[in-house]
Amino acid sequence: EAGVTQFPSHSVIEKGQTVTLRCDPISGHDNLYWYRRVMGKEIKFLLHFVKESKQDESGMPNNRFLAERTGGTYSTLKVQPAELEDSGVYFCASSQDGRLGGYTFGSGTRLTVV
Amino acid sequence: EDQVTQSPEALRLQEGESSSLNCSYTVSGLRGLFWYRQDPGKGPEFLFTLYSAGEEKEKERLKATLTKKESFLHITAPKPEDSATYLCAVQFSGGYQKVTFGTGTKLQVIP
Repeated sequence: EAGVTQFPSHSVIEKGQTVTLRCDPISGHDNLYWYRRVMGKEIKFLLHFVKESKQDESGMPNNRFLAERTGGTYSTLKVQPAELEDSGVYFCASSQDGRLGGYTFGSGTRLTVV
Repeated sequence: EDQVTQSPEALRLQEGESSSLNCSYTVSGLRGLFWYRQDPGKGPEFLFTLYSAGEEKEKERLKATLTKKESFLHITAPKPEDSATYLCAVQFSGGYQKVTFGTGTKLQVIP
């Protein structure tokens, strides 16, 4: 089966601009998660979708971040306007039945805000 | 606050030299503990889930164990292809499905 696909793989934008990251989960996976790793820190949870609904968005840092999941398929994470501290690697993961922790991760999008 | 601490931060082994990685945690009700492997430029790859103290899981040269306060990832006779960053993550009761990751142990196996 195809894995979790994320694009772009890299993005360099200027402070104040808008960036949209996309994630295509494994087909049939109802659960979709966004995580990010800021330089030198651990991977941190952002939010969790079950189909098109946000199950848990407790990790979203502020209202500059907007996540959507159209029709319960792919998901986008928009950062508007981007700040320097948003730089990092954004990972998407999916799972079929919400099995604890047994996610399949994508390769991530490396975001650099300059 | 739930915390996950991994040690050492980095480990260099000769091929065939067995060792263990540690993951200690403080959570208010552990639901599960997970080990992942991450290669450079890739996302984490799931290895094991452990649910209760005393549980053990094995896969090739890797064996994960769990106590009430920590988990160990034992690597037996490692090969250069085992070089990667190994991540520990925990899920706690009441946290829906999100997991808390440690910062990882970067393992290098020298031929």
